Amino acid sequence: EVQLVQSGAEVKKPGESLKISCKGSGYMFTRYWIAWVRQMPGKGLEWMGIIYPGDSDTRYSPSFQGQVTISADKSISAAYLQWSSLKASDTAMYYCAIRLGSSSSTPFDYWGQGTQVTVSS
Amino acid sequence: SYVLTQPPSVSVAPGKTARFTCGGNNIGSKNVHWYQQKPGQAPLLVIYYDTDRPSGIPERFSGSNSGNTATLTISRVEAGDEADYFCQLWDGSSDQPVFGGGTKLTVL
Repeated sequence: EVQLVQSGAEVKKPGESLKISCKGSGYMFTRYWIAWVRQMPGKGLEWMGIIYPGDSDTRYSPSFQGQVTISADKSISAAYLQWSSLKASDTAMYYCAIRLGSSSSTPFDYWGQGTQVTVSS
Repeated sequence: SYVLTQPPSVSVAPGKTARFTCGGNNIGSKNVHWYQQKPGQAPLLVIYYDTDRPSGIPERFSGSNSGNTATLTISRVEAGDEADYFCQLWDGSSDQPVFGGGTKLTVL
C-alpha cells in the first residue's frame, strides 16, 4: 500500500527556520517525483516544487524559488521542505504528493496527510 | 502562465446531478485531473486524464474535456460528496502543474 506520512504540526516564530518531512512507503521511492503543495487558510492548492529522489533533480515554481528548499534523502525514503527564515505569510497547510507515472502530465496519485505550519510572534 | 478558472460554488439537492466546470484556453488539448478535498482532509484524486476513475471512486463520478472547458460530473449526489473540487493539469509552456481555484459543493 502506497503511503506518504508527513511530520507533525509546527508552531514557529517569524525568522525561525523549519524543515518538514514526507516519508514514502509501499512503492519504489527513488523512481517517482514528489511534489510539495501549499494551501493557505481557506484557499486553493498551490504547487511549490517537485523533486526526483533518484538523482535529486529539483524544480521550483517561480513563486517559491528562493523562498524554500526542497530536498530528499533516498536512504530513508524521505523528502523535505525547508525554510531558512519563516514569515507570518508562510502559515499554511503543506502537502506532499507523488506522481506514479513517467510523464509530466501524470496526476498526483497519492497525497500525504498534510503538515500545518503556523508562524506567529 | 496558464490559468484555470472554476466557479467558487455549486449547490445541488441530494439525488441530483452536480457539474463542475474548469475553463482554460484550449483545455481540450490537455490532460485534466480532478481532486476532491473534504474538510480537514488531503486532496483525493477522483478523475484523471479527463475521464478515467481511480479504483475505489464510484461510477457516479465522470469527466469530460473539450474546447475550452473540462467538466467533472457527479450523478446522484450524496451528502458525503460535500467537498471542494479542484481541477489540475500540466502546463507545458511553463513546465509546471497548475491548479484551478476550486469549487465548493454544497448538498442542499
